[in-house]
Amino acid sequence: GAGVSQSPSNKVTEKGKDVELRCDPISGHTALYWYRQSLGQGLEFLIYFQGNSAPDKSGLPSDRFSAERTGGSVSTLTIQRTQQEDSAVYLCASSLAPGNTEAFFGQGTRLTVV
Amino acid sequence: GQQLNQSPQSMFIQEGEDVSMNCTSSSIFNTWLWYKQDPGEGPVLLIALYKAGELTSNGRLTAQFGITRKDSFLNISASIPSDVGIYFCAGLLWAGNMLTFGGGTRLMVKP
Repeated sequence: GAGVSQSPSNKVTEKGKDVELRCDPISGHTALYWYRQSLGQGLEFLIYFQGNSAPDKSGLPSDRFSAERTGGSVSTLTIQRTQQEDSAVYLCASSLAPGNTEAFFGQGTRLTVV
Repeated sequence: GQQLNQSPQSMFIQEGEDVSMNCTSSSIFNTWLWYKQDPGEGPVLLIALYKAGELTSNGRLTAQFGITRKDSFLNISASIPSDVGIYFCAGLLWAGNMLTFGGGTRLMVKP
């Protein structure tokens, strides 16, 4: 597709279960970001991938959170042993870097932990 | 790390009024971006600024890249109900660096 695609769009899970959120960036984009957004709040940075460099994981809130990016394209954000405070919208963005700095966002995955 | 202070945090205005919001940073950026997020959607890029002092318009939106490279503002003229949403600024030091986002300005427009 032409834009950043995230799946699923909505996910309801039971507390304690693991979840995987997927992001398909725009083809050819080397930079990929994950953000978390609680209801009506700002964007909380989670992790940043840039090409083959080691990812910047400084925003991951706990060791229950991890992300990988296979083949420099698709990324998966995994949350283990989900807690109710993990409920939020998880947004992915990609940009064609270096040279083009504009980041484009997906629609997000709304995660609800019950 | 770099921090972006965005203000105001929220605004409740009458339709037809002009709106102004800004972002400031303690360190310089070489690119400033402004995004709008509609309810239930991901943020969408509105305006990109690449040069200090640059003033760019997109319809009723005007944004400027501050001459010190530490600030940027976004103006919306003659607001309409569909301007409702959260506006985010973002700064980038160098291509390949990470974008830094402001905390957002929530705009509410009363018809």
